[in-house]
Amino acid sequence: QQQVKQSPQSLIVQKGGISIINCAYENTAFDYFPWYQQFPGKGPALLIAIRPDVSEKKEGRFTISFNKSAKQFSLHIMDSQPGDSATYFCAASLPLIIQGAQKLVFGQGTRLTINP
Amino acid sequence: KAGVTQTPRYLIKTRGQQVTLSCSPISGHRSVSWYQQTPGQGLQFLFEYFSETQRNKGNFPGRFSGRQFSNSRSEMNVSTLELGDSALYLCASSLYPSDGYNSPLHFGNGTRLTVT
Repeated sequence: QQQVKQSPQSLIVQKGGISIINCAYENTAFDYFPWYQQFPGKGPALLIAIRPDVSEKKEGRFTISFNKSAKQFSLHIMDSQPGDSATYFCAASLPLIIQGAQKLVFGQGTRLTINP
Repeated sequence: KAGVTQTPRYLIKTRGQQVTLSCSPISGHRSVSWYQQTPGQGLQFLFEYFSETQRNKGNFPGRFSGRQFSNSRSEMNVSTLELGDSALYLCASSLYPSDGYNSPLHFGNGTRLTVT
């Protein structure tokens, strides 16, 4: 129930295309869903995050779509660029009042390659 | 503002030894958490500290411990190292959430530990 399942494991997209990464969860008590981007040799960097009271959030070329009934959320990268090539992680967290600490459960990651 | 600083960047240790990793959070951040990243298990939560108190601990053996100092800096210690402890250890800091919701985690670039 604490798992977040991420797909696909790897993804190749042409420059200018749309990259889509999906995540699914079981625990309906999760209330915070961030996406992180990680380049080789670096730590994960927060891209965008959403809470379940919103169905979509957009920041620049990055959009999170959230489907509460299906317990799924996805990251869309519009106009994908070679510089977007990185590993992307979705994550989820229970409310602080339940787990007493800030603790993220991560998906397994998606290695995204944007071909020029 | 300086980001999360982790030292050292690389460590090579022998099985049975112990190791201490250090983390300096972003100025003003009072919550520090630690994650282990491996190719097989992905990103896994180790523990989180706030105001020098451990608020939550992940599913790791007692050989993994940590502490937080009054200036919010944190250390984690792994005793009796095993080959399977080879991983990237990531520290993340965040503001104390005033509204009951999780606040964004900001990760350092990690310490790469190799156990031989």
